[in-house]
Amino acid sequence: DAGVIQSPRHEVTEMGQEVTLRCKPISGHNSLFWYRQTMMRGLELLIYFNNNVPIDDSGMPEDRFSAKMPNASFSTLKIQPSEPRDSAVYFCASSYTGGGVEAFFGQGTRLTVV
Amino acid sequence: AQKVTQAQTEISVVEKEDVTLDCVYETRDTTYYLFWYKQPPSGELVFLIRRNSFDEQNEISGRYSWNFQKSTSSFNFTITASQVVDSAVYFCALSEYDMRFGAGTRLTVKP
Repeated sequence: DAGVIQSPRHEVTEMGQEVTLRCKPISGHNSLFWYRQTMMRGLELLIYFNNNVPIDDSGMPEDRFSAKMPNASFSTLKIQPSEPRDSAVYFCASSYTGGGVEAFFGQGTRLTVV
Repeated sequence: AQKVTQAQTEISVVEKEDVTLDCVYETRDTTYYLFWYKQPPSGELVFLIRRNSFDEQNEISGRYSWNFQKSTSSFNFTITASQVVDSAVYFCALSEYDMRFGAGTRLTVKP
């Protein structure tokens, strides 16, 4: 199994530009999480999908952030427009179910907004 | 609401010392799961252990051991005879239906 695959690994963009982060979960997993990691705030849960449906998006910081999961093998996290304070490492993780089972993480996308 | 507290921000030890990383959690659910993850300098998050709320047995895996006490809402992690390769950030996490992490403890093991 290839594990959770995130792309790109690194992204540098200018303030105001749209950024799209991509995630392919492990095949057979039906839960998907997007996290943001910063020095100040640690690992924050942004949104959680179960069976492709967003269950909890209370962690999405503001309307500039949106996430979709059009099918069981693909999810995107979009920031539009991006701001320097969005600079962080964004992790995608998947698991067999939402609770009680370990989540497997991708390598992360390091986003820098200049 | 669920919450995980890792009060130790950074710990530094000398190789071969034992070290315990503390984790305290809050939840209103009776069924929940606790986890520990390791984040080495390379940045990936590596799963270490899972515990459910009905299983308070301590667990030992090599140099690693975990102490789960519901009475104090704690799930502490001990590394025995630490090694330089143990240097990493360690996260405790709580799962009811999703998974939320503590702030992490940065462990540095010096030779």
